Amino acid sequence: AQSVTQPDIHITVSEGASLELRCNYSYGATPYLFWYVQSPGQGLQLLLKYFSGDTLVQGIKGFEAEFKRSQSSFNLRKPSVHWSDAAEYFCAVALNTDKLIFGTGTRLQVFP
Amino acid sequence: GAVVSQHPSRVICKSGTSVKIECRSLDFQATTMFWYRQFPKQSLMLMATSNEGSKATYEQGVEKDKFLINHASLTLSTLTVTSAHPEDSSFYICSAIFRDRGSNQPQHFGDGTRLSIL
Repeated sequence: AQSVTQPDIHITVSEGASLELRCNYSYGATPYLFWYVQSPGQGLQLLLKYFSGDTLVQGIKGFEAEFKRSQSSFNLRKPSVHWSDAAEYFCAVALNTDKLIFGTGTRLQVFP
Repeated sequence: GAVVSQHPSRVICKSGTSVKIECRSLDFQATTMFWYRQFPKQSLMLMATSNEGSKATYEQGVEKDKFLINHASLTLSTLTVTSAHPEDSSFYICSAIFRDRGSNQPQHFGDGTRLSIL
């Protein structure tokens, strides 16, 4: 069965520190991969996506993610975190864009 | 700016009433919309896929008679929670795909509706 795993439920970092959020997937084929961010009480905003091509994907707000087929991973990174990055982050996969399977999310807390 | 508008943002009502939530795509035609449910501190669970002009496709375990979905136009889908009970209290989020932008387009999400049944 298809699944998405975000091993870290909660991560706390200091402002200015680097960040890496982990995402692993289990799928029969190479899926489309997404990272979304959700602020409290709001919907989801797309940070970046991978469909094909260059495995290092640049997104909005200074985020990037790297697709590693051998590890079935799509980790999200940011070199320097800002206080406004505090939110819930969801990794998602799909065979196409029609049906997304979400991970359980990682809550990011940023300390000044 | 927002490309998907969801209304209302919050609803509080008595048990037994029906509640309608609207999801509109702004400026673009959305042939497919999706409805998700999110429990506190949990991930999003797909409830149903709504295609314009046809019946919605519900995920396993979702009661189609409880959660009525209508997608009458290319810019509007509605979710009606019928005879709502406290266990229906949740955060409901819609999303849309804009087909006229070509294939491989990601879903764009609304801001969600917080439903509280007393």
